[in-house]
Amino acid sequence: GDSVTQMEGPVTLSEEAFLTINCTYTATGYPSLFWYVQYPGEGLQLLLKATKADDKGSNKGFEATYRKETTSFHLEKGSVQVSDSAVYFCALSEKAAGNKLTFGGGTRVLVKP
Amino acid sequence: KAGVTQTPRYLIKTRGQQVTLSCSPISGHRSVSWYQQTPGQGLQFLFEYFSETQRNKGNFPGRFSGRQFSNSRSEMNVSTLELGDSALYLCASSELQETQYFGPGTRLLVL
Repeated sequence: GDSVTQMEGPVTLSEEAFLTINCTYTATGYPSLFWYVQYPGEGLQLLLKATKADDKGSNKGFEATYRKETTSFHLEKGSVQVSDSAVYFCALSEKAAGNKLTFGGGTRVLVKP
Repeated sequence: KAGVTQTPRYLIKTRGQQVTLSCSPISGHRSVSWYQQTPGQGLQFLFEYFSETQRNKGNFPGRFSGRQFSNSRSEMNVSTLELGDSALYLCASSELQETQYFGPGTRLLVL
């Protein structure tokens, strides 16, 4: 079945540091890939997405590129802020599975001033 | 447009009771999905409804059920609650095969 693996946290960074969160996936077809972010006490917010190989999703300074050859969708941000402290989830969905999202375990990021 | 709303936001129940959670999707969205989030198991898919029909179901016991109404609002029900059902229950809505938008969740505590 489908699965998503992402690096375990917590990841602790200083403000303005470079952030990378690794995400790899296993899927039977050609999934769409997503990054969601969860702030304390809240639901999930879509951060970015990519629907086919080599697509780059970007939003709020975050980027991720759909790499079919390495089945990866790593999240990057060049200069993090304290407000980026949150839990980040990588997810995939396959058309054959309707709207079902399969999530990774989440990576907690803590940015210190 | 207003976002996905879920009620109640917090709930405390005791073992053996049942609970009903409600989700109102974004206007125009006909697909509603439910997820359970726990520290141990992470985010797990419960089921998806589209136009009042269950389209997909995750690996949860039959105690977990749901339905969708003609206005796309959805409810999920958990009967005979167990301690392990304590979780954040998240609802997401979307157009068919499009990006899902999540609500704030209902936090259920089973004592």
